[in-house]
Amino acid sequence: DTGVSQDPRHKITKRGQNVTFRCDPISEHNRLYWYRQTLGQGPEFLTYFQNEAQLEKSRLLSDRFSAERPKGSFSTLEIQRTEQGDSAMYLCASSLTGFGAFFGQGTRLTVV
Amino acid sequence: EDQVTQSPEALRLQEGESSSLNCSYTVSGLRGLFWYRQDPGKGPEFLFTLYSAGEEKEKERLKATLTKKESFLHITAPKPEDSATYLCAVQAPSNDYKLSFGAGTTVTVRA
Repeated sequence: DTGVSQDPRHKITKRGQNVTFRCDPISEHNRLYWYRQTLGQGPEFLTYFQNEAQLEKSRLLSDRFSAERPKGSFSTLEIQRTEQGDSAMYLCASSLTGFGAFFGQGTRLTVV
Repeated sequence: EDQVTQSPEALRLQEGESSSLNCSYTVSGLRGLFWYRQDPGKGPEFLFTLYSAGEEKEKERLKATLTKKESFLHITAPKPEDSATYLCAVQAPSNDYKLSFGAGTTVTVRA
């Protein structure tokens, strides 16, 4: 499968715990994006990387969130001290040209 | 700020009953308008990119059109497998790194 891969698909965590998600983009894509989607809403942009450089962060990305893309390949999104409001689908996407993006299947986070 | 409004929120169709979904947008310039399909619990699946007013794209029973202020997704003779949420997104030249999405239209096609 040559699409965008995300792991895990589902995560249930207790409030206050840290969680980390992984994204493997389409191999030749140099741009990688993270979005968040809550029920009944469209995805909202969080951050993006061009190769290994994180070039833009949304104001939605609080200090508890950190993303990395070492060596310009896979990316991780960590949420520290999770809160119930962090419950959402976290989507990773990638692109080559910057026109649009191809999305992965997402990681569904539930904070209890 | 870029804004995208989709209507209706939900659409229930009988199999074979054609209909259209609307996506109205406000953006400073338009780099591209994108349609995605999303099944429950899954990520958005790319359908079409439209770049300029008057452009049309087709794929099976779906046809997307674009004007200067809105886009339509026409579903011709839908089948139950066309049931999904359809998302519209825009990309502006000033923010070429992000897509601004609407809330989507959930389409249910009954056999």
